Amino acid sequence: QKEVEQNSGPLSVPEGAIASLNCTYSDRGSQSFFWYRQYSGKSPELIMFIYSNGDKEDGRFTAQLNKASQYVSLLIRDSQPSDSATYLCAVNENSWGKLQFGAGTQVVVTP
Amino acid sequence: EAQVTQNPRYLITVTGKKLTVTCSQNMNHEYMSWYRQDPGLGLRQIYYSMNVEVTDKGDVPEGYKVSRKEKRNFPLILESPSPNQTSLYFCASRVTGGRNTEAFFGQGTRLTVV
Repeated sequence: QKEVEQNSGPLSVPEGAIASLNCTYSDRGSQSFFWYRQYSGKSPELIMFIYSNGDKEDGRFTAQLNKASQYVSLLIRDSQPSDSATYLCAVNENSWGKLQFGAGTQVVVTP
Repeated sequence: EAQVTQNPRYLITVTGKKLTVTCSQNMNHEYMSWYRQDPGLGLRQIYYSMNVEVTDKGDVPEGYKVSRKEKRNFPLILESPSPNQTSLYFCASRVTGGRNTEAFFGQGTRLTVV
């Protein structure tokens, strides 16, 4: 069973600080990586994706990928209370569609 | 508006009573899948479909059936629901192929089997 591992948290972050979330995956052949945000009882929504080694920035979010070490991370800068949610890491195992999800990291931003 | 629509949103049923959760997408996506989400376990894939009449088991298919007679619809069928199928269910669709195609999720169906 191919695995995607995340620290479940909760990760408590003061408002305005940086939240750092990590994700490791077992399948070296994985091609692309996604971060989803999910509010309690709601459906996941895409924050960003990354497929090349290095950093990718989108607003307050930065995704980092290191394929050699098989991890992907998400940084949330200037954290806001509205960022309080569960963040799901998803790995695209193949070209035709399956996403393997981690269990998610709960982030709590405290005012 | 691009969307995936699931119905019903909430369902309480009794053990053994057959039920169907519908899923429909308006984006002409080839790939559709069903997930269940349980505390601490994340999203686990139940079944998926790569196109009309092409379906296959995901990671947790036991107790579920699906069909894909039309490209836009992908219903999830529980022939004889049991309490361990109490969960939050999501339907998702995405374009097949390519590295960066986003999965679009339905609103979710919270199922309780008593």
